[in-house]
Amino acid sequence: LAKTTQPISMDSYEGQEVNITCSHNNIATNDYITWYQQFPSQGPRFIIQGYKTKVTNEVASLFIPADRKSSTLSLPRVSLSDTAVYYCLVGDHSSNTGKLIFGQGTTLQVKP
Amino acid sequence: KAGVTQTPRYLIKTRGQQVTLSCSPISGHRSVSWYQQTPGQGLQFLFEYFSETQRNKGNFPGRFSGRQFSNSRSEMNVSTLELGDSALYLCASRLQGAQGEQFFGPGTRLTVL
Repeated sequence: LAKTTQPISMDSYEGQEVNITCSHNNIATNDYITWYQQFPSQGPRFIIQGYKTKVTNEVASLFIPADRKSSTLSLPRVSLSDTAVYYCLVGDHSSNTGKLIFGQGTTLQVKP
Repeated sequence: KAGVTQTPRYLIKTRGQQVTLSCSPISGHRSVSWYQQTPGQGLQFLFEYFSETQRNKGNFPGRFSGRQFSNSRSEMNVSTLELGDSALYLCASRLQGAQGEQFFGPGTRLTVL
């Protein structure tokens, strides 16, 4: 499983766009990139998943360059409630395993 | 549709005791995974069950065990509790084939004194 590297923490202000970049230099051909959000004392929540180019849903966008060695989670116009830990995961979706490998994650602090 | 539920939400035990945690997956989800979260080690995979069979196992000692019932509900057991077992234990369920998207429960906060 490819290892991921993210910034430990980020600060932002309400209303700003936040971009969190994740590095995964050893990503394999079958690997997908998935992002989760976790609030204190709660389980992680799936945000978005992608393989290449750009994926957008009602919560976020995920940008993946052609070489797939990194990815960027974009949160538009954050609010205080977006303060959470964000995890980037890379996993082989052809292996049919439920094992998710979480790294340290990025603690996002949104300030008023 | 109800989410993943875990019981109990909080538990206090003493060293040497054993504990059983319960997880009810989302209806229709047959895969259940368990994770341990601590400040020092982060989120770590314990094991996964599918159709009452353990399919994957993480790097935890044999004191950690689990099982799954025919209705997909799962339990995990920790025997001979140690102080270091204090953690948030999370259960997640998923649809077969949907490897990346798992639905987590609120967790059980276990404190070992």
